[in-house]
Amino acid sequence: GAGVSQSPRYKVAKRGQDVALRCDPISGHVSLFWYQQALGQGPEFLTYFQNEAQLDKSGLPSDRFFAERPEGSVSTLKIQRTQQEDSAVYLCASSSHDREGGRSPLHFGNGTRLTVT
Amino acid sequence: GNSVTQMEGPVTLSEEAFLTINCTYTATGYPSLFWYVQYPGEGLQLLLKATKADDKGSNKGFEATYRKETTSFHLEKGSVQVSDSAVYFCALSDQGGSEKLVFGKGTKLTVNP
Repeated sequence: GAGVSQSPRYKVAKRGQDVALRCDPISGHVSLFWYQQALGQGPEFLTYFQNEAQLDKSGLPSDRFFAERPEGSVSTLKIQRTQQEDSAVYLCASSSHDREGGRSPLHFGNGTRLTVT
Repeated sequence: GNSVTQMEGPVTLSEEAFLTINCTYTATGYPSLFWYVQYPGEGLQLLLKATKADDKGSNKGFEATYRKETTSFHLEKGSVQVSDSAVYFCALSDQGGSEKLVFGKGTKLTVNP
């Protein structure tokens, strides 16, 4: 497809379970971001990749959160030992760079809605 | 740190009414400013942006002007349509290396026929 694809669309996990959320960015997009959006709130930054390098993970809320992008394309956000406060929509976004080195607008996926019971 | 404050919703208007959604920001340096829109069942989409003071971003009849003196980026549209019903997010780009976005909480707009 032409857009950013995220899977699964919905995920229900019992507290304490591990989950893995997948993001397929637009082909050729160098930059990839993960955001967390709690109900009724705006998205909050989690982490940023440029190709396979994770250049900023300052937004990850705890060491239970881990993200990777080993081949510079698909990315996985893993949450270990999920807690109820992890319930949110997790958004992935990607962008390319233009010829002048600037970044194109972010393209967002539809998100994965995680519910921890 | 950088932050965005936008008008609390929800906002309900009749078709053809004038729309203003207020947005103010706190930032170091000179961030770029954005409005994103999320239509029901869809992902976030860029609506418009402005990269420096006094720039006006515009798209689909919406406008917003980057006002450095008032640290504001209010969204306006002269005549809203039912199809404009969505959640609108104001955002700024962090001027650090990743240029990550800092979002406001969002304002839900409902336009009735």
